[in-house]
Amino acid sequence: GAVVSQHPSRVICKSGTSVKIECRSLDFQATTMFWYRQFPKQSLMLMATSNEGSKATYEQGVEKDKFLINHASLTLSTLTVTSAHPEDSSFYICSAGVMERSTDTQYFGPGTRLTVL
Amino acid sequence: GQSLEQPSEVTAVEGAIVQINCTYQTSGFYGLSWYQQHDGGAPTFLSYNGLDGLEETGRFSSFLSRSDSYGYLLLQELQMKDSASYFCAVTSSNTGKLIFGQGTTLQVKP
Repeated sequence: GAVVSQHPSRVICKSGTSVKIECRSLDFQATTMFWYRQFPKQSLMLMATSNEGSKATYEQGVEKDKFLINHASLTLSTLTVTSAHPEDSSFYICSAGVMERSTDTQYFGPGTRLTVL
Repeated sequence: GQSLEQPSEVTAVEGAIVQINCTYQTSGFYGLSWYQQHDGGAPTFLSYNGLDGLEETGRFSSFLSRSDSYGYLLLQELQMKDSASYFCAVTSSNTGKLIFGQGTTLQVKP
């Protein structure tokens, strides 16, 4: 089956630092990857759509200069939270659509729990 | 705006059947998906409906009525491990972009 990995799974950082989260599709190529944020007891909120070789498309209200997304290859997308603050503490999840199949099924990574002190 | 409505909580006993409803109002519609998420984990795909009707996958079935902008997830022979949050999600564009409902917390009791 389609497997998506994320690294790191958990990160604690000081306020003002930047954190990079990697999302990899392990056994398939993903032309499109998605980044979500989920606060406790809440739903997943789409942050941006990441397309290989082009600029990400950000959802309304998401600061593109704060959440930098790079999709350098068909198997890797990265999200960098720049100058992180405590309010950025959340569960960040990526997902990938499978190129050869319908885009109607997304495979999710295990998530990265970010805690900003 | 775009919205998906589903009940916030459902409680049922082991072995029972439970139905989780989802109504949606979105600017685009390509299909309705269902995801399961256990505490601290990532969502896992359960089912997808692109056309009207019932899709069955083991103990789980999902139904869609596009004319009513309505769907449901049916869980049969409930097990304790089914206790989790269940999200309906609409594929709103041909990019595969998903819009999620707020989630339904299912508690299965012995």
